[in-house]
Amino acid sequence: AQSVTQPDIHITVSEGASLELRCNYSYGATPYLFWYVQSPGQGLQLLLKYFSGDTLVQGIKGFEAEFKRSQSSFNLRKPSVHWSDAAEYFCAVGAPTGYALNFGKGTSLLVTP
Amino acid sequence: DADVTQTPRNRITKTGKRIMLECSQTKGHDRMYWYRQDPGLGLRLIYYSFDVKDINKGEISDGYSVSRQAQAKFSLSLESAIPNQTALYFCATAVSNTGELFFGEGSRLTVL
Repeated sequence: AQSVTQPDIHITVSEGASLELRCNYSYGATPYLFWYVQSPGQGLQLLLKYFSGDTLVQGIKGFEAEFKRSQSSFNLRKPSVHWSDAAEYFCAVGAPTGYALNFGKGTSLLVTP
Repeated sequence: DADVTQTPRNRITKTGKRIMLECSQTKGHDRMYWYRQDPGLGLRLIYYSFDVKDINKGEISDGYSVSRQAQAKFSLSLESAIPNQTALYFCATAVSNTGELFFGEGSRLTVL
């Protein structure tokens, strides 16, 4: 079965600084990979997804993620963080033959002025 | 209107009460899910359904039951609520070939 680890529980960055959120997965083949964002009091919104092909994936709100098979990683990046990016971020992994996505425990992002 | 709608959005109840959380969708997806979110634990799968006649347990199904009344409706029941079922519950639908999830706004349940 596939699993995912988000090593950072909390991250604090200054507004305008760059951001990288880490995600490592465990799966024997090429997984389906997702990043979701949850703003306070809201549901989960898809930021981006990877199924195959180009390993650098562009998403909404200026986010991107890179699939690195050799490192079993799918890290989320943004070059310049805005205060509105403060939220909980979840990495999720699925499989072509799977029945449901497995989620990491999330990374809480705080943006300081 | 939201594609995935959950009711109620907030509910406070007492230990031992029966609670039903309802979910309806207009996305036309066959797959529907109930997840539970707790701080620091991420989202954990309670039940999932691939069609009206297909119901499957997830990793934390004990104390919960579900009903798939129609392709568009999937409800979650707590037969006798207990305080450690206090959590944020999400309904989701999925694209069959990729598993991409589409979430409702969540139902916050507090059991006193």
